[in-house]
Amino acid sequence: DGGITQSPKYLFRKEGQNVTLSCEQNLNHDAMYWYRQDPGQGLRLIYYSQIVNDFQKGDIAEGYSVSREKKESFPLTVTSAQKNPTAFYLCASSIGDRGNEQFFGPGTRLTVL
Amino acid sequence: KQEVTQIPAALSVPEGENLVLNCSFTDSAIYNLQWFRQDPGKGLTSLLLIQSSQREQTSGRLNASLDKSSGRSTLYIAASQPGDSATYLCAVTGATNKLIFGTGTLLAVQP
Repeated sequence: DGGITQSPKYLFRKEGQNVTLSCEQNLNHDAMYWYRQDPGQGLRLIYYSQIVNDFQKGDIAEGYSVSREKKESFPLTVTSAQKNPTAFYLCASSIGDRGNEQFFGPGTRLTVL
Repeated sequence: KQEVTQIPAALSVPEGENLVLNCSFTDSAIYNLQWFRQDPGKGLTSLLLIQSSQREQTSGRLNASLDKSSGRSTLYIAASQPGDSATYLCAVTGATNKLIFGTGTLLAVQP
């Protein structure tokens, strides 16, 4: 069953803590993306990766970090430097990075207590 | 800077009605346009992808059109059903090679 999985579904964080959101895909896609969704706003790109061991900042990368050690995995760390981390986080992947259809995971809702 | 706008922000229709959702974008230099569906608290489901060289795409009761020169796309839903209730998002891939999203149209189909 091919697809994109994200875990956990819900995550609670205390202020000052770093947390890592998991994203795994078995679609054999080269490109992977992280987006943030806030109420009343469109999705905004945090980071993206075109190939293993390479990634680029998106529009709102401050306070976040990523790694791409394996093709299947693209974890996102929300650091304590992110001032307003409460949001819905979505991971996506595509065959390539240029104009290809993106497929999304089910999302992780992060709440800062 | 590319901006994507979706009008209306919310729409309520009776079951069985045909409807049109609108998407406009400010920069016509796009690679493609994608329509997504999002159910509450869920991820996005890709509905249709229109390449810049295409005028429309169809999937079942859905038909999406693209007019690059005017910066507009429409998503036509035929014979709407309560199960079509969701938020519909459009997004364009432009020269920056990134997906730029609109804020969505919340559709409610009343039984």
